[in-house]
Amino acid sequence: AQSVTQPDIHITVSEGASLELRCNYSYGATPYLFWYVQSPGQGLQLLLKYFSGDTLVQGIKGFEAEFKRSQSSFNLRKPSVHWSDAAEYFCARTVPYTGGFKTIFGAGTRLFVKA
Amino acid sequence: EAGVTQFPSHSVIEKGQTVTLRCDPISGHDNLYWYRRVMGKEIKFLLHFVKESKQDESGMPNNRFLAERTGGTYSTLKVQPAELEDSGVYFCASSFQGRGNTIYFGEGSWLTVV
Repeated sequence: AQSVTQPDIHITVSEGASLELRCNYSYGATPYLFWYVQSPGQGLQLLLKYFSGDTLVQGIKGFEAEFKRSQSSFNLRKPSVHWSDAAEYFCARTVPYTGGFKTIFGAGTRLFVKA
Repeated sequence: EAGVTQFPSHSVIEKGQTVTLRCDPISGHDNLYWYRRVMGKEIKFLLHFVKESKQDESGMPNNRFLAERTGGTYSTLKVQPAELEDSGVYFCASSFQGRGNTIYFGEGSWLTVV
């Protein structure tokens, strides 16, 4: 079955340090991939998406992600983390089924930022 | 352009009561989805409408949950009777038809059952 795996339940980084959140997907030759963020008490905000083309995707808030087919990965990165980036991050993909398409999510990675 | 809107944003009800959540998708979006995140766990798919037709409701937890989308516009999700384990955030999302279209999420309806 098609799935999304986020190996890290939580990560702690110092403010100003670089960040990489891991995401792996299974199955699917051309996955449509997304990263969403949920800040405490807030809804889901789309950070970036990958459908095709350039494998390095730029998103909002200074985030980027790189699609690597050979590794079945779509890791999220940010060169310098700000305290306001503390939130939960979800990797997601669309999967086809007889009724159309739907999005499935990884379990999420909670990011803690220390001063 | 208005995004996906959900109402109420927060609701606190007693066990055994009924709650109805409403979702207004982005205008023109045929696809409408409901998701749920309970107690900080995974975001789980509940069901998918295309216009007024339910395409997949395999994620609905049990028959206490009923979703409708009359006229293919807004949708409601009713929980009757509510149980403690129903507490969580319910997200609605919408998109245009076709795989290459981003699904846009609302801010969520935060439900607390006491």
